Amino acid sequence: EDQVTQSPEALRLQEGESSSLNCSYTVSGLRGLFWYRQDPGKGPEFLFTLYSAGEEKEKERLKATLTKKESFLHITAPKPEDSATYLCAVLDSGGYQKVTFGTGTKLQVIP
Amino acid sequence: DTGVSQNPRHKITKRGQNVTFRCDPISEHNRLYWYRQTLGQGPEFLTYFQNEAQLEKSRLLSDRFSAERPKGSFSTLEIQRTEQGDSAMYLCASSLAIGNTGELFFGEGSRLTVL
Repeated sequence: EDQVTQSPEALRLQEGESSSLNCSYTVSGLRGLFWYRQDPGKGPEFLFTLYSAGEEKEKERLKATLTKKESFLHITAPKPEDSATYLCAVLDSGGYQKVTFGTGTKLQVIP
Repeated sequence: DTGVSQNPRHKITKRGQNVTFRCDPISEHNRLYWYRQTLGQGPEFLTYFQNEAQLEKSRLLSDRFSAERPKGSFSTLEIQRTEQGDSAMYLCASSLAIGNTGELFFGEGSRLTVL
């Protein structure tokens, strides 16, 4: 069974204070690792897909990296509008289409 | 609006009643997914369609849950004899092919409250 564990559960940052969110995963074979952003009361919004160890993707203040066992979402100089829950998810290579999500990290950025 | 549309957005029902949710995916997407999310948790996979075929179903999905996608377009998720534990946000997502960017396009969800 695929497993995704995210830490911390919640993170409170001052505006401009950079930090990282962690996602550790267990799959039989990784087809893709995904990061989503979710605002309260809304569905998740896709951010990145990472396919292999060493890969990095960037979007504005966010940068996602991938190793064989975990992924990090680095947030550089965050702004209050970055406040959201960030979800990590994996798709294994077993021929199925089930994407398994972690429980998320709730990020609050204070002005 | 060409995004994923879900109806109703909110449903309050009494225990034992049946409820049905509808999902209209992005028109050119052939894959459709249902997820359930409770407060403080990540989305939990329920089932997946490719066109009209239901190809995967979670072992957690009891017999009271049924999903259809009759013409490969919209989908319905029915919950029979609702229980308080069914209270959750039911999310629908669609995609073209997960092997590319892996992006699932989610709707805004249907929130179910069972009294």
